[in-house]
Amino acid sequence: EVQLVESGGGLVQPGGSLKLSCAASGFTFSGSDIHWVRQASGKGLEWVGRIRSRANNFATAYAASVTGRFTISRDDSKNTAYVQMTSLKTEDTAVYYCSRLYVDSFGVVIRPDYWGLGTLVTVSS
Amino acid sequence: DIVMTQSPDSLAVSLGERATINCKSSQSVLYRSNNKNYLAWYQQKPGQPPKLLIYWASTRESGVPDRFSGSGSGTDFTLTISSLQAEDVAVYYCQQYYTTPLAFGGGTNVEIK
Repeated sequence: EVQLVESGGGLVQPGGSLKLSCAASGFTFSGSDIHWVRQASGKGLEWVGRIRSRANNFATAYAASVTGRFTISRDDSKNTAYVQMTSLKTEDTAVYYCSRLYVDSFGVVIRPDYWGLGTLVTVSS
Repeated sequence: DIVMTQSPDSLAVSLGERATINCKSSQSVLYRSNNKNYLAWYQQKPGQPPKLLIYWASTRESGVPDRFSGSGSGTDFTLTISSLQAEDVAVYYCQQYYTTPLAFGGGTNVEIK
């Protein structure tokens, strides 16, 4: 069974830092691109960033709203992806989801299929 | 950056009737080398993560009922629910995954009339 489990959320003060984890199981993590998406309460979905697989040099990309403050990484030996969040702002308050973008063995991007249940980050004084 | 615009924001449909949601991208999401549109549709119910319904604009994800269908190419796309069921009440999002930054539409809230 495929699972993505986010953890590490919580309450943090403005200007603070937090590191979220996304633990994967049930699929070949090392061959998958991992994306982070967030959703503020009652709002829509916002793409945060992604990290590609080793075959694509672990390339990262970020939304403009988090560039320079968030860093996405991965440890394929632990089947886990991370997002290190610094200089947090109240507007970063949201549920953070990780999701898999399935890329086949030929490197063709297929579909963004599996999502975790999310972890809540609250930035407040 | 590609901007995704969904319409309508909200939609009320009688049980058994058709629901149609539109999504427009500011640039083409058609990848010419494989003739695939990198456009996905999701369903999200309260307290749950999004669930993939459609990818490549018109390919139904495994296990998704066939009353859900996607169409369109280039910049204009449609999600159709052919016969609305009570369990289809949810917010629906389109997403382009053609290029970063990936982008979602603003969502369409589907309710029962």
